[in-house]
Amino acid sequence: ETGVTQTPRHLVMGMTNKKSLKCEQHLGHNAMYWYKQSAKKPLELMFVYSLEERVENNSVPSRFSPECPNSSHLFLHLHTLQPEDSALYLCASAKGPNQPQHFGDGTRLSIL
Amino acid sequence: QKEVEQDPGPLSVPEGAIVSLNCTYSNSAFQYFMWYRQYSRKGPELLMYTYSSGNKEDGRFTAQVDKSSKYISLFIRDSQPSDSATYLCAMRGLNSGGGADGLTFGKGTHLIIQP
Repeated sequence: ETGVTQTPRHLVMGMTNKKSLKCEQHLGHNAMYWYKQSAKKPLELMFVYSLEERVENNSVPSRFSPECPNSSHLFLHLHTLQPEDSALYLCASAKGPNQPQHFGDGTRLSIL
Repeated sequence: QKEVEQDPGPLSVPEGAIVSLNCTYSNSAFQYFMWYRQYSRKGPELLMYTYSSGNKEDGRFTAQVDKSSKYISLFIRDSQPSDSATYLCAMRGLNSGGGADGLTFGKGTHLIIQP
């Protein structure tokens, strides 16, 4: 089983829908991250959780709401998204500070 | 000025050639430097992880960091068609607060190895 698993792999939703992205890591790591990857742009850090506590919110609009119920699971709740939110959303985990981050394969999100 | 500059390519080379991929950065606080490989429809895969200046070798891959020039490189020897992918450089500063922090990425270089 891969180290970081993201579901669903693809999601199409309307601007008024509410959906959630899920990430699960099987590596025993203590830190988890959400990144956004858009075409022709660098990966953008969205949220950081360390030991289930949010330590960084990188000026992300409130229509994105993260949740980390335990050190193995991370969610990104979505509501009233905009077309510019269409992107690949990547989850990563790390053992701790100053440790390398390992990524899942992402959820490809399309907003109609 | 962008924090991390990386030529997006595409960079096309014949099989067996030595490939050189590079990034420049502006933030002198960056201490940890990484290279990720990303295949189409997949997430980034960690290739190399280095701290501060110097060289690190792993098989056909060599990572170099020159902090005085704010310049990092990834060399691929004996390149193979399976090396065709997008290569992302990433970096961050030293975390001394005990919490975790995110990475700053380049845009990625699309590499094509021609058989």
